[in-house]
Amino acid sequence: AQSVTQPDARVTVSEGASLQLRCKYSYSGTPYLFWYVQYPRQGLQLLLKYYSGDPVVQGVNGFEAEFIKSNSSFHLRKASVHWSDSAVYFCAVSAAGYQNFYFGKGTSLTVIP
Amino acid sequence: DMKVTQMPRYLIKRMGENVLLECGQDMSHETMYWYRQDPGLGLQLIYISYDVDSNSEGDIPKGYRVSRKKREHFSLILDSAKTNQTSVYFCASSRDRGRAETLYFGSGTRLTVL
Repeated sequence: AQSVTQPDARVTVSEGASLQLRCKYSYSGTPYLFWYVQYPRQGLQLLLKYYSGDPVVQGVNGFEAEFIKSNSSFHLRKASVHWSDSAVYFCAVSAAGYQNFYFGKGTSLTVIP
Repeated sequence: DMKVTQMPRYLIKRMGENVLLECGQDMSHETMYWYRQDPGLGLQLIYISYDVDSNSEGDIPKGYRVSRKKREHFSLILDSAKTNQTSVYFCASSRDRGRAETLYFGSGTRLTVL
């Protein structure tokens, strides 16, 4: 069965600190991986996506993620967070030719000024 | 401007009433989706539409139906709403059915069923 696990429901960090949000997936085929961000009272917006090639992908606002196939992981990282990064982050998986996306339950990030 | 628009933003209904949630997109995307979001559960797929009158059940279709008569417009209908359908509903669209393209989301409709 396809699934995405985000083990941390809530993460709190200080402004300027580094960040890692964890994501592990279970998918029978070759996965396409995504990170989305949701700000309060808004829909989800794409941060970055991985289809193939270089396992480290860059996204918007200084975010990056690394695909580690051996570990079925796609963790999100940022070197220095800003208070405006406070939001809920969702990891998602899909595959070529398959239109369903499986989302994790999300990680709520709070950045303390 | 690439946009997915949902109406209304907030809706309060009584149990047993019919509910219509509307979604439009201006990108001529083939594929559209309805998700619901509940605390601690993430997003759950209700229906996918691959084009006009080409709809497919998602993971939780019971109690819902959809209508897509124009490519840019996708409706979610709750016939005789139930209290457990209180949720935030998101519409999304994507460009190409051939690969897993980026999803573009609307801002959501917060539905309360009393």
